[in-house]
Amino acid sequence: EPEVTQTPSHQVTQMGQEVILRCVPISNHLYFYWYRQILGQKVEFLVSFYNNEISEKSEIFDDQFSVERPDGSNFTLKIRSTKLEDSAMYFCASSELANSPLHFGNGTRLTVT
Amino acid sequence: AQKITQTQPGMFVQEKEAVTLDCTYDTSDPSYGLFWYKQPSSGEMIFLIYQGSYDQQNATEGRYSLNFQKARKSANLVISASQLGDSAMYFCAMSKNRDDKIIFGKGTRLHILP
Repeated sequence: EPEVTQTPSHQVTQMGQEVILRCVPISNHLYFYWYRQILGQKVEFLVSFYNNEISEKSEIFDDQFSVERPDGSNFTLKIRSTKLEDSAMYFCASSELANSPLHFGNGTRLTVT
Repeated sequence: AQKITQTQPGMFVQEKEAVTLDCTYDTSDPSYGLFWYKQPSSGEMIFLIYQGSYDQQNATEGRYSLNFQKARKSANLVISASQLGDSAMYFCAMSKNRDDKIIFGKGTRLHILP
C-alpha cells in the first residue's frame, strides 16, 4: 500500500538554526498538510497546501515557517531560527480529495537544544 | 468555530470487552466529516474510520464502528472484542467541507488489560 514517507525520523538542532523537514506524499494525492504534536499533547494543524499554494494556515504558522513543493514529489517544511518550543513531532499528511481521510507519515521528531 | 471534545483522558478496559471512546463536536456547517485515528506508542497516526455528516448509516470497519448521533453532535468510537494491541492514544477529528484541514481532539489514552 502506498505511504507517506518523511525524513529524517529524528533531527536535533541548535536554537537559532534552520531546519528542513522533508516529506514524499502519496503520488496521486492532491492535498498536503503539516501537523505538529508537542510530546503527549494534541495534534495541531499547521498548514495545508493545494495546487502549489498554501490553502490555509494556522496562527502557529507564522513567518518562521514556510512550505515548498520544489519538484512535484517532495513537500518540505522549513523552520527558520528554531526555538526551544519548536521541539515536537512534525507530521506530514496527504489526501486524495479535500475532506477525505489523511494519510500520515511516521513523523519527524525535532529536538531543539 | 469548529471544536472537538474528548472528555476521557484515559481509560482502562479488560481484554475482550467492548470499548466506547467518546467524542462530541461543534460546528455550524451542515456538511462535515468525522474521523478517528489511532496513535500507538511508536508514534505513527493510523486512520481507523470515517463518517460523513450526510451518511445515513453508522460507519463500520472491522472491529471499529462509529456511533454517530447527529442531533447530539456525538461521534463515539466503539471497539468490539478489544485486544492488547488496541492500547494506544485515540484521536477524534473533524473536517468542514468548506475547508480542507482536519482538526483533532485532545485524545483518549486507552489501556487494554490482560
